[in-house]
Amino acid sequence: EAGVVQSPRYKIIEKKQPVAFWCNPISGHNTLYWYRQNLGQGPELLIRYENEEAVDDSQLPKDRFSAERLKGVDSTLKIQPAELGDSAVYLCASSLYSLTGIGNTIYFGEGSWLTVV
Amino acid sequence: GENVEQHPSTLSVQEGDSAVIKCTYSDSASNYFPWYKQELGKRPQLIIDIRSNVGEKKDQRIAVTLNKTAKHFSLHITETQPEDSAVYFCAATPPGYALNFGKGTSLLVTP
Repeated sequence: EAGVVQSPRYKIIEKKQPVAFWCNPISGHNTLYWYRQNLGQGPELLIRYENEEAVDDSQLPKDRFSAERLKGVDSTLKIQPAELGDSAVYLCASSLYSLTGIGNTIYFGEGSWLTVV
Repeated sequence: GENVEQHPSTLSVQEGDSAVIKCTYSDSASNYFPWYKQELGKRPQLIIDIRSNVGEKKDQRIAVTLNKTAKHFSLHITETQPEDSAVYFCAATPPGYALNFGKGTSLLVTP
């Protein structure tokens, strides 16, 4: 079974340029997450989807970041314009929705490494 | 929201010794506590998790303990091997929310 697939793996852009990351979750997983991981830090949630609905985007910097999951499967995260401080690894993850209210295993993709110069 | 603190930030042990990493959480409603291992340049991968209805779980050389009253949980690795060297993250989540991660512990196992 394929895991969470992300692209591109690496991206170098100049500040003020736009960038987009794509994620395809594990088949059947209706919950999709975008996390950002700065060097030497733990992942921090940007946005969480249940199917096509964004149920938690409180940590997403909405002035420059946007995300979509139109058909409830794959997702795109966009940054426009990028700033130097956006350099990080952008991790997509997915899980099954928990009917019991107790968390299910979250599976991560390999991440998209962004460098803004 | 949930706040997870993790200690130590770095840990160096000799091969064969035990390693212990500790985490505390703030939200008493949290009921799921996974541990992830991340090797350099790789994705975080789940190594063990515990739910709030149990106090301890073991899988070969890895064990996790949970103290709900004190709101802390720990990862124990016995008989450490060089391939255990990585960054370990704890996480916690209340029902219906995403995982909140600690800042990580960089474990180095020296031969």
